[in-house]
Amino acid sequence: QVQLVQSGAEVKKPGSSVTVSCKASGGASSTYAISWVRQAPGQGLEWMGRIIPIVDIATYAEKFQGRVTITADKSTSTTYMELSGLRSEDTAVYYCTRGMYYFDYWGQGTLVTVSS
Amino acid sequence: DIQMTQSPSTLSASVGDRVTITCRTSQSIGTWLAWYQQKPGKAPKLLIYKASTLESGVPSRFSGSGSGTEFTLTISSLQPDDFATYFCQQYNTSSMYTFGQGTKLEIK
Repeated sequence: QVQLVQSGAEVKKPGSSVTVSCKASGGASSTYAISWVRQAPGQGLEWMGRIIPIVDIATYAEKFQGRVTITADKSTSTTYMELSGLRSEDTAVYYCTRGMYYFDYWGQGTLVTVSS
Repeated sequence: DIQMTQSPSTLSASVGDRVTITCRTSQSIGTWLAWYQQKPGKAPKLLIYKASTLESGVPSRFSGSGSGTEFTLTISSLQPDDFATYFCQQYNTSSMYTFGQGTKLEIK
């Protein structure tokens, strides 16, 4: 059974950076795309970017270009999402999720709170 | 970028009702559309992919239809466990992934 397990909640200051990890188990994780999707409190879902670990190619949503970096460590089946220049509007639950056209497995979510 | 319009934003219904949620896209996406169910504090759960294919383990009262720019999710007979928020999601090679705004399904 595929599982995506994310790192724990973070509290960050405005202007700082945060890195969230997502470890995959139970499947051929490197052959799938892993995306990062966020959800601000009471809001909808927003796709941020994805990586295909087997070819190490990352693609980002235009809104986050220059501020987000997604990397993958194939040896540990772990994907990382770094978001820089944090502002209060980045307070959200961040999910990793697997899939190329649709998303069949999701991590449990990581709450990132940006507050001075 | 492809714009998604999901309606209604809120839907009140009773157990046993048949309900339909609609998702429209600003450009044709063929059948590259998925539907998700999300409950409070939980990650979304995939229900339907490729517009009409039921994900394994999802009850058959859920169905999806449509192609091009108009898509629907239908729940044939609402069960208590179905009261949740539903999102559509499109895939396109240029826009990548976009989600609808969500439909909150409430108990009437």
